Amino acid sequence: EDKVVQSPLSLVVHEGDTVTLNCSYEVTNFRSLLWYKQEKKAPTFLFMLTSSGIEKKSGRLSSILDKKELFSILNITATQTGDSAVYLCAVYDGTYKYIFGTGTRLKVLA
Amino acid sequence: NAGVTQTPKFQVLKTGQSMTLQCAQDMNHEYMSWYRQDPGMGLRLIHYSVGAGITDQGEVPNGYNVSRSTTEDFPLRLLSAAPSQTSVYFCASSYSRAGLSYNSPLHFGNGTRLTVT
Repeated sequence: EDKVVQSPLSLVVHEGDTVTLNCSYEVTNFRSLLWYKQEKKAPTFLFMLTSSGIEKKSGRLSSILDKKELFSILNITATQTGDSAVYLCAVYDGTYKYIFGTGTRLKVLA
Repeated sequence: NAGVTQTPKFQVLKTGQSMTLQCAQDMNHEYMSWYRQDPGMGLRLIHYSVGAGITDQGEVPNGYNVSRSTTEDFPLRLLSAAPSQTSVYFCASSYSRAGLSYNSPLHFGNGTRLTVT
């Protein structure tokens, strides 16, 4: 059975800290891995990764994929209270299905 | 640009009642889907559609029906609501073409919080 596992489940840090969120997957027909940020409402798209070793970056956020070891990490540097959210990882399997992990809840304290 | 619009935002039903959750997108996306989100369970796929007239089941389809008569709309029907269907429901769409090796990111609506008593 295909699955996506995120760790840690939750994390509390102080402003200015750097955090690393993990996503491992076992998906038969991997096509792409996506990261989303979910605050109170809809998940919003952060990154889509399809190739190993190529870092995607947006401001203080970056992500990289390792297709050999079947995982991805999302890094957030110099965290701010506005980064507090649930971060979701999903894998697209090429059959029109996205398999989501349960998410990592990040809380950034001022 | 409205994106994906879901209505209603909140709904309370009694066991056995029926209702339809509405979803509309204005991005001309062929792919549309419904997820439910429960604490500790993540987002689970209920049904999806790859184009008008085509629907298929996801991971948790029981108790739900869908139809896709137009590209824009993808309603989700609960025929006889049960307390186990208390959840937050998200509609999501993406650009999709057969033969693509990867899909484009999902765009989500703001969700419908459903409580069944």
